[in-house]
Amino acid sequence: EDKVVQSPLSLVVHEGDTVTLNCSYEVTNFRSLLWYKQEKKAPTFLFMLTSSGIEKKSGRLSSILDKKELFSILNITATQTGDSAIYLCAVSDSYNQGGKLIFGQGTELSVKP
Amino acid sequence: DGGITQSPKYLFRKEGQNVTLSCEQNLNHDAMYWYRQDPGQGLRLIYYSQIVNDFQKGDIAEGYSVSREKKESFPLTVTSAQKNPTAFYLCASSIGPSGTDGNQPQHFGDGTRLSIL
Repeated sequence: EDKVVQSPLSLVVHEGDTVTLNCSYEVTNFRSLLWYKQEKKAPTFLFMLTSSGIEKKSGRLSSILDKKELFSILNITATQTGDSAIYLCAVSDSYNQGGKLIFGQGTELSVKP
Repeated sequence: DGGITQSPKYLFRKEGQNVTLSCEQNLNHDAMYWYRQDPGQGLRLIYYSQIVNDFQKGDIAEGYSVSREKKESFPLTVTSAQKNPTAFYLCASSIGPSGTDGNQPQHFGDGTRLSIL
């Protein structure tokens, strides 16, 4: 059965800390891995990763994929209180499956002032 | 502004009642999806549709029904057969088969929070 596992499930840090969120997967027909940030309502798209070893970066956030070891990490440097959210990792199945996303449980990040 | 609109934001269901959650998008996306999110859990797929007049069951379709009569609209009905409907429901869309690259991220609406009375 296809699955995506995130760790840790929750994390509390102080402003300025650097955090690393983990996502491992077992998916038969891997197409891409996506990261989303969810604050109360709609998940907002952060990154899509399809190739191993190529870092994607947006401001203080960065992410990388390892297709050999079947995992991805999301790094947030110099955290701010506005980074507090649930971070969701999802893997896209092959396109024959309608572009379905398989989600992990999420990591709840809390950044204290 | 282009986007996905879900309504209502909050919905209460009585025992034995069917309720319908609305999802409308003006992004010209072919593919639409419904997910359910329970506290402390990730999103689970209920139904998805790649084109008009066609849809497929996701992982937890029992007790739910959908229709896709128009490209812009993908309503979800929570039937009385769904015994534990209290959850946060999210609708999403993506470019889908007609796009030049079918591997596109899904974009989400703001969700509907359903509770039992």
